[in-house]
Amino acid sequence: AQTVTQSQPEMSVQEAETVTLSCTYDTSESDYYLFWYKQPPSRQMILVIRQEAYKQQNATENRFSVNFQKAAKSFSLKISDSQLGDAAMYFCAYGEGSNFGNEKLTFGTGTRLTIIP
Amino acid sequence: NAGVTQTPKFRILKIGQSMTLQCTQDMNHNYMYWYRQDPGMGLKLIYYSVGAGITDKGEVPNGYNVSRSTTEDFPLRLELAAPSQTSVYFCASSYKPGHTVQPQHFGDGTRLSIL
Repeated sequence: AQTVTQSQPEMSVQEAETVTLSCTYDTSESDYYLFWYKQPPSRQMILVIRQEAYKQQNATENRFSVNFQKAAKSFSLKISDSQLGDAAMYFCAYGEGSNFGNEKLTFGTGTRLTIIP
Repeated sequence: NAGVTQTPKFRILKIGQSMTLQCTQDMNHNYMYWYRQDPGMGLKLIYYSVGAGITDKGEVPNGYNVSRSTTEDFPLRLELAAPSQTSVYFCASSYKPGHTVQPQHFGDGTRLSIL
């Protein structure tokens, strides 16, 4: 079974600084997708960014970018110019591409990010 | 723009009681999912559905049942509530064009306590 590991239960960063959240995964598949979701105190699950494994270019969404290292099975999230609204739990998730599949996502245990004013 | 709607938002049950968590989506998504999130943990898949009339077990299905009679609705039923089922439950949906994996859209969750 695929596993997703987030080794940093908690992280903190000063407002306006940059922080990187780590994620590693284990798979023998070549066609898969990776996601970062944000869960603020409101409990909503909000998509931050999506990466397709066959694309070598790292995905970016405004202040959020990833460092996707396929050989190392690493998928870290970089948040630039951190803002108070970025405080949340961040979950890394893995899903396999398949015409017959079900898009099940496997989630990591999360990293709680605190923004220090 | 409702997206995925879950009801209720909070519920307290006594051991042995039953209840149904409701989930509906208005995005015409073919895939729907139920997850549970225990404190300090990630989400674990309970059941999923790839379309009306088709459901399958996820990682932690014991103690739960689902049905999918329409594209929009995917209720989750707890038959005999147990304290181990105290958790936050999330419903999600996604659209699957071919082999790609699209982001899942989540509801706001239901906090369920079994006492």
